[in-house]
Amino acid sequence: EAGVAQSPRYKIIEKRQSVAFWCNPISGHATLYWYQQILGQGPKLLIQFQNNGVVDDSQLPKDRFSAERLKGVDSTLKIQPAKLEDSAVYLCASTPGGTANSPLHFGNGTRLTVT
Amino acid sequence: GDSVTQMEGPVTLSEEAFLTINCTYTATGYPSLFWYVQYPGEGLQLLLKATKADDKGSNKGFEATYRKETTSFHLEKGSVQVSDSAVYFCAAYSGGSNYKLTFGKGTLLTVNP
Repeated sequence: EAGVAQSPRYKIIEKRQSVAFWCNPISGHATLYWYQQILGQGPKLLIQFQNNGVVDDSQLPKDRFSAERLKGVDSTLKIQPAKLEDSAVYLCASTPGGTANSPLHFGNGTRLTVT
Repeated sequence: GDSVTQMEGPVTLSEEAFLTINCTYTATGYPSLFWYVQYPGEGLQLLLKATKADDKGSNKGFEATYRKETTSFHLEKGSVQVSDSAVYFCAAYSGGSNYKLTFGKGTLLTVNP
């Protein structure tokens, strides 16, 4: 099966600019996650979707970050305006969802550098 | 909420040495436990998992046993190879109706020939 696809692979922007990341999960996976991985740290959950509905966005900085999952398939994560501390790898993951036996499948991530 | 604590790195070993990376968790109830591995320049890959107490997950010579009494899930390998050099993440998966994965900070392993 095809894996989780993310683009772009790398992005460099200046602070106060905006940026968007795209994710295409594994076909049929109902649950989609966006994680932020800052260098030297473990991934931190930003937002979780079940189909096209948000089930957890408690750690999403909503003043600058937004995400959507149209039609319950692809998802985009946007940052506007970006800050220096947003430099990180943004990981998308998907799972069929709903049980403890369905591990997450991760994409290769988008590495964002804010200068 | 859930939290995962794993041993600080970096860990540097010689080829064929024994590896242990400690991991403990705090969670409501009994989460499923996972080890993910991230090779240089690649995404996170599931290494092994255990879904209930006393389960042993294993893959590629790595093992970890779910110890409820010590809330631990230590990763071990009897003889590491250069190709095992990577960052290893311990993670707990729980949440009732909306499962989510909570990661430790990761441990960088470097294996020298």
